[in-house]
Amino acid sequence: QVQLQESGPGLVKPSETLSLTCTVSGYSISSGYYWDWIRQPPGRGLEWIGTIYHTGSTYYNPSLKSRVTMSVDTSKNQYSLNLRFVTATDTAVYYCARDYPGGRHHEYWGQGTLVTVSP
Amino acid sequence: QSALTQPPSASGSPGQSVTISCTGTSRDVGGYDYVSWYQQHPGKAPKLLIFEVTKRPSGVPDRFSGSKSGNTASLTVSGLQAEDEADYYCSSYAGFNNLLFGGGTKLAVL
Repeated sequence: QVQLQESGPGLVKPSETLSLTCTVSGYSISSGYYWDWIRQPPGRGLEWIGTIYHTGSTYYNPSLKSRVTMSVDTSKNQYSLNLRFVTATDTAVYYCARDYPGGRHHEYWGQGTLVTVSP
Repeated sequence: QSALTQPPSASGSPGQSVTISCTGTSRDVGGYDYVSWYQQHPGKAPKLLIFEVTKRPSGVPDRFSGSKSGNTASLTVSGLQAEDEADYYCSSYAGFNNLLFGGGTKLAVL
């Protein structure tokens, strides 16, 4: 059974960098699929942040591209998100999810982690 | 790129059918058969209901069905049950390795 688990600080100060890690179990990242970050501000809808492949290839939401970096560590079966220069509008539940390249749908999700941006 | 357009709310009585729309453009919904639908209960992660417009993952009841016409995709929930009360989101591939989500529809079972 594929499982994903987000981890990282729940509170980040404005202008600093939000850093999260997704640990995958039950499936090797190196075996394929895309690996995504998706966020959801409180009471609002879902927003795709970006995608990484096990080779390190990345694709980012154009609206966030200037502030986002994603990386993968296949030895730990983890991938990560860095979002720079955060503001209160970056406060959200952040999900990691497995993305099927052929259809770009997400069958497996982490439980989500709330990150609050506040002084 | 803008979010896909969904109605904020929908409702139906138990046993009835309800359809939720998801409108995009020819650059996303209309251009690819890569529309997905998700169900999200409060405090939970989204659950995949429909992928590639009409396909259901194993374990998803056939009460849930998807379709597409032009730039608009639709999710139909037949035989409404109390547990169907949730938020529903559509998603579409938008070219150049981009993904879009809809704003979400809150479904009430009256």
